[in-house]
Amino acid sequence: SAVISQKPSRDICQRGTSLTIQCQVDSQVTMMFWYRQQPGQSLTLIATANQGSEATYESGFVIDKFPISRPNLTFSTLTVSNLSPEDSSIYLCSVVGLAGSGTQYFGPGTRLLVL
Amino acid sequence: AQSVTQPDIHITVSEGASLELRCNYSYGATPYLFWYVQSPGQGLQLLLKYFSGDTLVQGIKGFEAEFKRSQSSFNLRKPSVHWSDAAEYFCAVGASSGGYQKVTFGTGTKLQVIP
Repeated sequence: SAVISQKPSRDICQRGTSLTIQCQVDSQVTMMFWYRQQPGQSLTLIATANQGSEATYESGFVIDKFPISRPNLTFSTLTVSNLSPEDSSIYLCSVVGLAGSGTQYFGPGTRLLVL
Repeated sequence: AQSVTQPDIHITVSEGASLELRCNYSYGATPYLFWYVQSPGQGLQLLLKYFSGDTLVQGIKGFEAEFKRSQSSFNLRKPSVHWSDAAEYFCAVGASSGGYQKVTFGTGTKLQVIP
């Protein structure tokens, strides 16, 4: 399994500002995923990030709101821009395990509260 | 597109009692199936997974799940629940999409354990 860390673990932000979340993996991975978990809800995939290419966004998520960087095979950032209270959620980074296993492993999450 | 239904939003069991959490999936081919657990304030931990082969899979913490193709189900079971099992449980289905497994999560079942 992969060991995934996220920074920050939690933050409180003012509306209109932005927050950048970092995800670090202890091994090289091709694909990284960013999920959102709104209060009391399940996980929703925001986008898939491959190293060296543009992220692929799911329906309802756009690059202007959720820009993603993937500079190398162990690191990615997700920025949540122009924050509103509706963005208060847990944001989780995920990677796929051993090639072909299909298993996703998750970071501890970043808890965001927007005031 | 694949989907997952967890019909029970909240379940309460007594410590030491048996547990079964229901999960039904929809997918046109043989799915990859997962159960994850999320303890309060924690990230997601993989309990077990089914890819192929034996339809009864064993996981960590004494959990098991049985894949029943005829019923499109992948129910999670534990013979004797411990207080530390109180958490939220997510069933997920993975399907091939553009060369990787796209995972869709159910809405979760929150487990309460009473003395």
